[in-house]
Amino acid sequence: QSALTQPASVSGSPGQSITISCTGTSNDVGGYNYVSWYQQHPGKAPKLLIYDVTDRPSGVSNRFSGSKSGNTASLTISGLQAEDEADYYCSSYVSGSTLVFGGGTKLTVL
Amino acid sequence: QVQLVESGGGVVQPGRSLRLSCAASGFIFSNYAIHWVRQAPGKGLEWVAVISNDGSDKYYADSVKGRFTISRDNSKNTLYLQINSLRAEDTAVYSCARVGDILLTFGGGKFDYWGQGTLVTVSS
Repeated sequence: QSALTQPASVSGSPGQSITISCTGTSNDVGGYNYVSWYQQHPGKAPKLLIYDVTDRPSGVSNRFSGSKSGNTASLTISGLQAEDEADYYCSSYVSGSTLVFGGGTKLTVL
Repeated sequence: QVQLVESGGGVVQPGRSLRLSCAASGFIFSNYAIHWVRQAPGKGLEWVAVISNDGSDKYYADSVKGRFTISRDNSKNTLYLQINSLRAEDTAVYSCARVGDILLTFGGGKFDYWGQGTLVTVSS
């Protein structure tokens, strides 16, 4: 159960768009449409942003969007805002009935 | 409102045991699978275990299999995690998280509510 691969850090200026990748294998990301994305501010619980690769829970801004191609899922944040500065994690269901998270990506809003 | 409140953490010596609890309120506990997720200080999220809504199915991460036991008491709206043979690498904040869909054990990893976590520190 190796962690999914995410870039350690990304950055962008307010108003710009950024994309965070999440790479796995055919046993997890590539094999199922069960990728979720979470936002975590320091000292806070993770917040669900995206589930089932592309779906957004009610109340989550449409500036957050998800996609997947092959074994790589992506989270795109458009119109960057200062409050988006946080850690972001992807997760995927894994064959054999387990779950795996990505290593996390620290987003800095310049 | 939905609440998940963990307790039971603390400083424990290597090799000892600990039982964590997650008290749920604001929803029909017996309808939802609950997961444990941990986060070592300054590190990322790590999935630990899940128990189905009725307790019949349990799954564990390889890193904890054989040492951790997840259980629940639906009459008390409480989830448990029994941790045995504690190791330094078990030091983390342990959080419970609710699957966002009724009756699904994994629900695609869609966790709609999380607790704030309880810190377990393994140190001699």
